[in-house]
Amino acid sequence: QKEVEQDPGPLSVPEGAIVSLNCTYSNSAFQYFMWYRQYSRKGPELLMYTYSSGNKEDGRFTAQVDKSSKYISLFIRDSQPSDSATYLCAMRRGSARQLTFGSGTQLTVLP
Amino acid sequence: KAGVTQTPRYLIKTRGQQVTLSCSPISGHRSVSWYQQTPGQGLQFLFEYFSETQRNKGNFPGRFSGRQFSNSRSEMNVSTLELGDSALYLCASSPDGNEQFFGPGTRLTVL
Repeated sequence: QKEVEQDPGPLSVPEGAIVSLNCTYSNSAFQYFMWYRQYSRKGPELLMYTYSSGNKEDGRFTAQVDKSSKYISLFIRDSQPSDSATYLCAMRRGSARQLTFGSGTQLTVLP
Repeated sequence: KAGVTQTPRYLIKTRGQQVTLSCSPISGHRSVSWYQQTPGQGLQFLFEYFSETQRNKGNFPGRFSGRQFSNSRSEMNVSTLELGDSALYLCASSPDGNEQFFGPGTRLTVL
């Protein structure tokens, strides 16, 4: 079993929809949680970086962490065609610097 | 600030050869991490350097090695290339190993 599980999709939504992306993890040592966006043939772009349980908002993006359930989410409001990409969750232990990634969810926002 | 740069962007090698990839981090960042991305295994951590010292190493064979220079630039080397080494190699830059910012990657094809 992988340490981080992420539904690969693909996920297709109409423009303006609210998108929900999720990851579950098994290792309770993970303390830092990130979401990256990766366009085709590009490197991952850091969207959100969170530490504690709860919500963090940045523009149209909201990251949610529930450590008791070992579950993290990324919500995208008012989705745009330019949001079409692969979204990767990542996490790391407190003392380590290496990131453990989910397999990524491919999102398409249709105009 | 300029982002992370990686050279070359594309590389074609044959089995048995060796290859060296280069990464220039964001100015002021002292931590450089390397990751391998393949369709089957996703993003996997190779190693991390901070102030010229390797701090963490992933579960890859000894054919994969790296180093960091005093100006924080980093190189990774893969010797005796195998077909399975074909991948996108990503470099991530960080001030201290926490938030990590990725470059565009080097796409290596081994024939």
